[in-house]
Amino acid sequence: DTAVSQTPKYLVTQMGNDKSIKCEQNLGHDTMYWYKQDSKKFLKIMFSYNNKELIINETVPNRFSPKSPDKAHLNLHINSLELGDSAVYFCASSTRQDDGEKLFFGSGTQLSVL
Amino acid sequence: AQKITQTQPGMFVQEKEAVTLDCTYDTSDQSYGLFWYKQPSSGEMIFLIYQGSYDEQNATEGRYSLNFQKARKSANLVISASQLGDSAMYFCAMRGRARAGSYQLTFGKGTKLSVIP
Repeated sequence: DTAVSQTPKYLVTQMGNDKSIKCEQNLGHDTMYWYKQDSKKFLKIMFSYNNKELIINETVPNRFSPKSPDKAHLNLHINSLELGDSAVYFCASSTRQDDGEKLFFGSGTQLSVL
Repeated sequence: AQKITQTQPGMFVQEKEAVTLDCTYDTSDQSYGLFWYKQPSSGEMIFLIYQGSYDEQNATEGRYSLNFQKARKSANLVISASQLGDSAMYFCAMRGRARAGSYQLTFGKGTKLSVIP
């Protein structure tokens, strides 16, 4: 069984469209994250949720809106997509909020904005 | 704020040889965690090894070991007996305090390792 699953794996869309990426974890973790990996492979945190509550919101355009309906799900909705949004988006989860807990990552969603 | 530096964009190693991937970090936190992740060409992020800042012993996981030198703020990954399947991007990361008492994982820019047959 996949621990952290995100869909879709590939997303190709036109500029200006609105799209969503879904993420679900079956590990019983309390904390979920969205990371963005750019074309140079640099990974940067976007959002972090703990028990459905937003706790980290890095400098991300407000076109990006995370939604956590329950602690097993953290979806990412992106409005008015731009060319610069093209990247791989990773969902991740961890069991507790301290410095010793590793992140479990989903397989990534490659977003291409044309 | 935390910062992770990986100075080697790319490395080559002969199959069956050992290789060290460098990682230095900067933090004002007393307590933090250091991680290494592997990202093969298929794209998934695979956890390799973890070192806590208070751990006195260097972490080891199979062929992976973490050479932790706290005073020098370095956390190098050593892969012994390299295999072709070790060819991948390797990311060093540090988990430390972010805003509002939360924790976040900060990644380095990665090192691309190529294992030569």
